[in-house]
Amino acid sequence: EIVLTQSPGTLSLSPGERATLSCRASQSVSSSFLAWYQQKPGQAPRLLIYGASSRATGIPDRFRGSGSGTDFTLTISRLEPEDFAVYYCQQYDSSPPMYTFGQGTKLEIK
Amino acid sequence: QVQLQQWGAGLLKPSETLSLTCAFYGGSFSGYYWSWIRQSPGKGLEWIGEINHSGSTNYNPSLKSRVTMSVDTSKNQFSLKVTSVTAADTAVYYCARERSGVDAFDIWGQGTKVTVSS
Repeated sequence: EIVLTQSPGTLSLSPGERATLSCRASQSVSSSFLAWYQQKPGQAPRLLIYGASSRATGIPDRFRGSGSGTDFTLTISRLEPEDFAVYYCQQYDSSPPMYTFGQGTKLEIK
Repeated sequence: QVQLQQWGAGLLKPSETLSLTCAFYGGSFSGYYWSWIRQSPGKGLEWIGEINHSGSTNYNPSLKSRVTMSVDTSKNQFSLKVTSVTAADTAVYYCARERSGVDAFDIWGQGTKVTVSS
């Protein structure tokens, strides 16, 4: 099973600043199968990025995904008040079919 | 508007069977895989398994012995059963649609909090 480790656990920033979130895999992940989600309290996760770098429908272009192999990054270029939430990465492995999630990064207002 | 709505019992006793159902509205049901995912403070987000409109399933090996998924295409619904629940199965359970070709979850249900307690 591929394990995803996210860092940092908590990131304290101010609106307008740039956020950089990391997701590291225990073995190589196909870029096609790496996704990022945003979750706010009491809500289901919301798909932000799929295929490592493609934005989901309606996601602002301040959200950017990048990376390959075992290292992936979610960058939020200029934080808006509504961006403070928990972010998860997720991967899919086909042998056997299995999805795993990282433990999350909490982005909080400084 | 495409959406998933889920329902099921929220309070169970140990050894009982968890049963949840999810209905899809506003789009095509076939051609997708449909998943169940749970979230607990201790284990974070955990994928339980998936089913497609034909009834083909894949389960998380860690839960496979206790999980059964089924589908009712006439109602655009799919269901989850987990047998012999314990306190470790306490979590918020979500249903979700897998986006074709990229294996990410693009539509989620609202979540159902399930508590297992004697």
